[in-house]
Amino acid sequence: ETGVTQSPTHLIKTRGQQVTLRCSSQSGHNTVSWYQQALGQGPQFIFQYYREEENGRGNFPPRFSGLQFPNYSSELNVNALELDDSALYLCASRSKGSAYNEQFFGPGTRLTVL
Amino acid sequence: AQKITQTQPGMFVQEKEAVTLDCTYDTSDQSYGLFWYKQPSSGEMIFLIYQGSYDEQNATEGRYSLNFQKARKSANLVISASQLGDSAMYFCAMRLVFGNEKLTFGTGTRLTIIP
Repeated sequence: ETGVTQSPTHLIKTRGQQVTLRCSSQSGHNTVSWYQQALGQGPQFIFQYYREEENGRGNFPPRFSGLQFPNYSSELNVNALELDDSALYLCASRSKGSAYNEQFFGPGTRLTVL
Repeated sequence: AQKITQTQPGMFVQEKEAVTLDCTYDTSDQSYGLFWYKQPSSGEMIFLIYQGSYDEQNATEGRYSLNFQKARKSANLVISASQLGDSAMYFCAMRLVFGNEKLTFGTGTRLTIIP
């Protein structure tokens, strides 16, 4: 158990719809990162939030957006869903500056776009 | 840009044997960390071991050890006395020390332990 939770576990949407995925980090974790993992591949970095501001972004279009809240929860929003958005979405959190190097991952949300 | 290469898509190992999973990396930065994660079929990424670029000794965590060869830019994971529960996907990843928290992952190795 990492203490990081994600909801929902599974989600089915149709092309063109919008989706919001949620992540709840451990208390004190001031950074959260989101990753997309397509089937058979390694996770790809989407973006990171630090103290409620975006602090780095991977090669993902603007229709991928996020929010981080003061209560250590965060959201990943994806607009205008495409078939290729079908993937496992993972969030990971850590306390930036901590002596612990590990990032704590949630169990993921599996998104299917039809 | 950072890059992680894992050249073994799949491996089959007899139970109780040792196994080495290969990982090579590429970066121009001098300060970085290398990670190994285990991903069972449930999907959650489980942290196994960490090696800092300035650490002189190879990292060890129980049955896991990291064979760090900086000049060759390799960070192989060694699992001793493999168990059936070790069957999973294994990912090597890198993070720069000075920067955001981005982890760059390889494509993974699927390890299957045979009874």
